[in-house]
Amino acid sequence: AQRVTQPEKLLSVFKGAPVELKCNYSYSGSPELFWYVQYSRQRLQLLLRHISRESIKGFTADLNKGETSFHLKKPFAQEEDSAMYYCALRSAGGFKTIFGAGTRLFVKA
Amino acid sequence: DAMVIQNPRYQVTQFGKPVTLSCSQTLNHNVMYWYQQKSSQAPKLLFHYYDKDFNNEADTPDNFQSRRPNTSFCFLDIRSPGLGDAAMYLCATSRDQTGMSYEQYFGPGTRLTVT
Repeated sequence: AQRVTQPEKLLSVFKGAPVELKCNYSYSGSPELFWYVQYSRQRLQLLLRHISRESIKGFTADLNKGETSFHLKKPFAQEEDSAMYYCALRSAGGFKTIFGAGTRLFVKA
Repeated sequence: DAMVIQNPRYQVTQFGKPVTLSCSQTLNHNVMYWYQQKSSQAPKLLFHYYDKDFNNEADTPDNFQSRRPNTSFCFLDIRSPGLGDAAMYLCATSRDQTGMSYEQYFGPGTRLTVT
């Protein structure tokens, strides 16, 4: 069964500390992995996707097929990073996107 | 510069009274999606349209229907809302082509309350 697991509902870190939001997935084919973010009072929006291999707002994520993980990392958290983060999986070339339940990141001053 | 618009933002309906949620887009995207998101849960895909082709998820209840009269508009109809249908309903679009997928653009959502 296709599944995306985000084990932490809430993650609280201090400003300037490293942050890692965990995401594990279960999928038998070739998935595309995404991170979406929802800032307070804003709509859900794409943060990054694994095939782009880019850093967005200082965040990076590496697809580890062996561990079936796609953890989101940032070396120095900022207060403006406080938001809800969703990991999502999509079959390559497909349309259905499966979301994790989300992790709320709170960056303390 | 709103790209995916959902109306209304808040909808209250009575148990069993049909309700329609609307979504419009200015992106000219060919794919439109409807998600249901209950409190503290992941958004769950109900169905999507690829152009005019309707694609229902296997576990979407028959109580949920959708219409897409043109590229810009898509509607979610709940024929007989139950208390369990209270949720945030998200509309999203993408410009997918067969074999290539692109990011989804989400609307702000409509929060449905069933009394």
